[in-house]
Amino acid sequence: AQSVTQPDIHITVSEGASLELRCNYSYGATPYLFWYVQSPGQGLQLLLKYFSGDTLVQGIKGFEAEFKRSQSSFNLRKPSVHWSDAAEYFCAVDNNDMRFGAGTRLTVKP
Amino acid sequence: EAGVAQSPRYKIIEKRQSVAFWCNPISGHATLYWYQQILGQGPKLLIQFQNNGVVDDSQLPKDRFSAERLKGVDSTLKIQPAKLEDSAVYLCASRLSYGGLSQETQYFGPGTRLLVL
Repeated sequence: AQSVTQPDIHITVSEGASLELRCNYSYGATPYLFWYVQSPGQGLQLLLKYFSGDTLVQGIKGFEAEFKRSQSSFNLRKPSVHWSDAAEYFCAVDNNDMRFGAGTRLTVKP
Repeated sequence: EAGVAQSPRYKIIEKRQSVAFWCNPISGHATLYWYQQILGQGPKLLIQFQNNGVVDDSQLPKDRFSAERLKGVDSTLKIQPAKLEDSAVYLCASRLSYGGLSQETQYFGPGTRLLVL
């Protein structure tokens, strides 16, 4: 069955520290891959997306993600977190049927 | 460019009542989606339109949920009658192109937060 897994429900990092949010998917072929961010009371905003080509993709707000086919993963990274990055992060895959992970809530400590 | 608009932003109703949500997609966007996001979960696709035709409604609880996009622009999602478990945020999204798998971005509205008491 097709699925998207975000293993970490909640992550807390200190401001200025690096960040990695995990995402694993289970699909027969390589789907299109996305990371979205959702601030409280807001809609989802696209951070970055991967369709093909270079497996390291750059997004907005200093985020990047790396597609690893062998691990069926698409982890999101940021080298230095800012307090404004506190939000809910969703990994999503599209294989003619957009599916989202359950999300990871990021808390940033001062 | 204006984004996806949704109204109302918040709605509180009692179980067994009816409720309707409205979505105005980005101008010119052919594809429109409705998602349900229950607290603590990711969005779940309810229905997808291309213009005024339904592409996918496999996850729509059709005994109580209905949606339409009569002129291929605005869309309404209705719940009748509502149940407690329908409490969620209902997100509308739109995309420019036709077709299933697309490299074009889905743009999301702010959502309607529904509380069923």
